[in-house]
Amino acid sequence: SQKIEQNSEALNIQEGKTATLTCNYTNYSPAYLQWYRQDPGRGPVFLLLIRENEKEKRKERLKVTFDTTLKQSLFHITASQPADSATYLCAPNFGTGANNLFFGTGTRLTVIP
Amino acid sequence: DAGVIQSPRHEVTEMGQEVTLRCKPISGHDYLFWYRQTMMRGLELLIYFNNNVPIDDSGMPEDRFSAKMPNASFSTLKIQPSEPRDSAVYFCASTDGAGPYNEQFFGPGTRLTVL
Repeated sequence: SQKIEQNSEALNIQEGKTATLTCNYTNYSPAYLQWYRQDPGRGPVFLLLIRENEKEKRKERLKVTFDTTLKQSLFHITASQPADSATYLCAPNFGTGANNLFFGTGTRLTVIP
Repeated sequence: DAGVIQSPRHEVTEMGQEVTLRCKPISGHDYLFWYRQTMMRGLELLIYFNNNVPIDDSGMPEDRFSAKMPNASFSTLKIQPSEPRDSAVYFCASTDGAGPYNEQFFGPGTRLTVL
């Protein structure tokens, strides 16, 4: 069965620095991969999607990379701010339908002022 | 749009009691998903519906769990009887279409505690 690992449960970073979160998966390569943000007491919110034939995707201060050889996606937040503090979930999709989305357990990011 | 609505937000019950969680998806969305989130296992898909029809319930842990979607604007997840290991946050999500690029919109969740 598929296994999704996100680098660590918690990551602390100084304001202004770049935060880098890792998502590794085993076995089959996903057709695409989504990243979500989850704040305490709330549901996940979609941030970015990257397809298997894309190496990199950007949205404002966010950047996602996808390396199918390494079976890894990296999620970067540049010029991090305390408001970026949240849990970030990666969700690879190993099929063609929305039901094939598998969520990692997440990395809790804290940006220290 | 108000987004996905779930009720109640918190539920505390005793072991053996019946629990019913409710969800109203975003209007116009034809897919509805029920997830369970725990610290140990993360977010797990329990069941999903397409046009009110259950398509895949392979994630439902036991026969104690059941879900219905009587119409396009309402779904329930029922646990009967409830057990302490059912304690978790239950999320409902909806999306427009089953394409691989459709983002899912999540509700605020119901935090269930079974004593």
